[in-house]
Amino acid sequence: NAGVTQTPKFRILKIGQSMTLQCAQDMNHNYMYWYRQDPGMGLKLIYYSVGAGITDKGEVPNGYNVSRSTTEDFPLRLELAAPSQTSVYFCASSYLGRAEAFFGQGTRLTVV
Amino acid sequence: GEDVEQSLFLSVREGDSSVINCTYTDSSSTYLYWYKQEPGAGLQLLTYIFSNMDMKQDQRLTVLLNKKDKHLSLRIADTQTGDSAIYFCAEGKIKAAGNKLTFGGGTRVLVKP
Repeated sequence: NAGVTQTPKFRILKIGQSMTLQCAQDMNHNYMYWYRQDPGMGLKLIYYSVGAGITDKGEVPNGYNVSRSTTEDFPLRLELAAPSQTSVYFCASSYLGRAEAFFGQGTRLTVV
Repeated sequence: GEDVEQSLFLSVREGDSSVINCTYTDSSSTYLYWYKQEPGAGLQLLTYIFSNMDMKQDQRLTVLLNKKDKHLSLRIADTQTGDSAIYFCAEGKIKAAGNKLTFGGGTRVLVKP
């Protein structure tokens, strides 16, 4: 089992550029999440999804968009990158009825 | 609101026990978790405890929960150099609208030989 797979692992963006962070899970989990981790800080929830076609905002959604067209995939879109979006992004998934989440390896994004 | 607090740093000698502490504010939490993050890696679930339990032991790991004080601790017995990592405490609730995890800021544990 691959678990939760994120691509790319690293990326440098210029201010104003756009990109999509990919996330896929093969565990048939209903719930998927995007978190960001800033240096020395805990994880902040950006967006989450309880199933295909359903998404909702977390604590820090501004500047991001998501979609969930399939159970497996949950891409995160940055439309106009800003230096404040420099962070490590983690995708996670969990079973219906269980709150513990399984995490991907992360995408380290730098906006310059 | 929900808040989870942890100390920033812990230094321990190899072979000693480590104790990492966490406090949380939401008394309606269903589960409490400990995650480990090694450099450059994602978060790995170490262990978790249901909110109606006081203690859980899993090999070298012991989790203690004091619900009255909203205090959670993780004890690592016989700490090894491979235990050097950042440890995150998290509290979780299961909701129909989406399971939710709230994380602390992480405790960096350094194990000295």
